[in-house]
Amino acid sequence: DIQMTQTPSSLSASVGDRVTITCRASQGIRNYLAWYQQKPGKVPKLLIYFASTLQSGVPSRFSGSGSGTDFTLTIGSLQPEDVATYYCQSHNTAPHTFGGGTKVEIK
Amino acid sequence: EVQLVESGGGLINPGGSLRLSCAVSGSTFTNVWMHWVRQAPGNGLEWVGRITSKKDGETTEYAAPVKGRFSISRDDSEKTVYLQMNSLKTEDTAVYYCSHGAPPSSFFDYWGQGTLVTVSS
Repeated sequence: DIQMTQTPSSLSASVGDRVTITCRASQGIRNYLAWYQQKPGKVPKLLIYFASTLQSGVPSRFSGSGSGTDFTLTIGSLQPEDVATYYCQSHNTAPHTFGGGTKVEIK
Repeated sequence: EVQLVESGGGLINPGGSLRLSCAVSGSTFTNVWMHWVRQAPGNGLEWVGRITSKKDGETTEYAAPVKGRFSISRDDSEKTVYLQMNSLKTEDTAVYYCSHGAPPSSFFDYWGQGTLVTVSS
């Protein structure tokens, strides 16, 4: 089964900073990679799918890139409302494994 | 508006069984592939399993930790998907979410609010 490894597990950044989260798949998954945002006590929200396609309604400061085994989620200018845990997920073939999550906080 | 509503969670002894339901409205339910995802307290998201649509054979896949103990089924007439959980272990304690995306994708636009399953004696 594919393993998804996210780094870092947590980060603290200032408002306006550019934030980058990395996700690595244990084997190639082409561009079948999704990113989710989960705020405390809330249901996960889809941000990006097929590695770089922004879900409707998601702010343009969020972007995704990568293919194969290495992927990146970037928040172009961190906002207070972006405090959350972010997860990557392989949506290629089952099992559709999630990464361990990256908790983003404001410094 | 698409809505997913889970039910059936609760407190159950180790070794016991429980069936969760997820009622879907606002989607073309017959076409969607339905998934279950769980989240143990304070932990990350874990994909549990999925069932394809009837036209895609209603095939199921499961994560390794639940294979052989959990099974997913669907009733298109009721627009409901089920998660039958047998031989429950304490490590199955989690909030269980049902979810789906545009068929036949396996990324999830839509999520239920979750139902808590607590396995404890």
